[in-house]
Amino acid sequence: GAGVSQTPSNKVTEKGKYVELRCDPISGHTALYWYRQSLGQGPEFLIYFQGTGAADDSGLPNDRFFAVRPEGSVSTLKIQRTERGDSAVYLCASSLTASTEAFFGQGTRLTVV
Amino acid sequence: GENVEQHPSTLSVQEGDSAVIKCTYSDSASNYFPWYKQELGKRPQLIIDIRSNVGEKKDQRIAVTLNKTAKHFSLHITETQPEDSAVYFCAASIRGGGSNYKLTFGKGTLLTVNP
Repeated sequence: GAGVSQTPSNKVTEKGKYVELRCDPISGHTALYWYRQSLGQGPEFLIYFQGTGAADDSGLPNDRFFAVRPEGSVSTLKIQRTERGDSAVYLCASSLTASTEAFFGQGTRLTVV
Repeated sequence: GENVEQHPSTLSVQEGDSAVIKCTYSDSASNYFPWYKQELGKRPQLIIDIRSNVGEKKDQRIAVTLNKTAKHFSLHITETQPEDSAVYFCAASIRGGGSNYKLTFGKGTLLTVNP
């Protein structure tokens, strides 16, 4: 594809529900990142994948958050028992390798009501 | 971990004037400093970056300077145009040595260029 694609673009869910956010990286990009951007803030790192493995998940806020990338391409960020504080824009980025420019998707705006 | 501070949080200039945004970082191991532009509701886009082995980089109306000793770097936009209006983010990361390019962002600067 032309760029990093994220779906859905918007997601409204009730407190306590489970959500999945999808990221389709640029074809051939081995590195994939998830960031979270709260209103008026810069993006905050959540997790980094190199290929299929999560090489760094130090940014995940707690064990309600989990992400997978089973085939080294598409990634899914999973949030269990959502809380209102989880409301934010979740950004995905990919890069050809870990040391090249990262390209961002347009994000998924998650609203927990 | 790394901490990036960015100032000012908002900046309003007249078209044609220059704009300067400043950032400081805390981790002396950081060696890569990109700047992103984010228009309302859109994705962050890289506009310029600098590595720690150079002190200045320029691309048309945009320039970035880096002072490793003081651990600060700045974005300079000259001859501003209304389409430069956006939120600008600085970031820092460590590249090489098996690092993962994890970016630590500043909080952003809302730049408004008035016609």
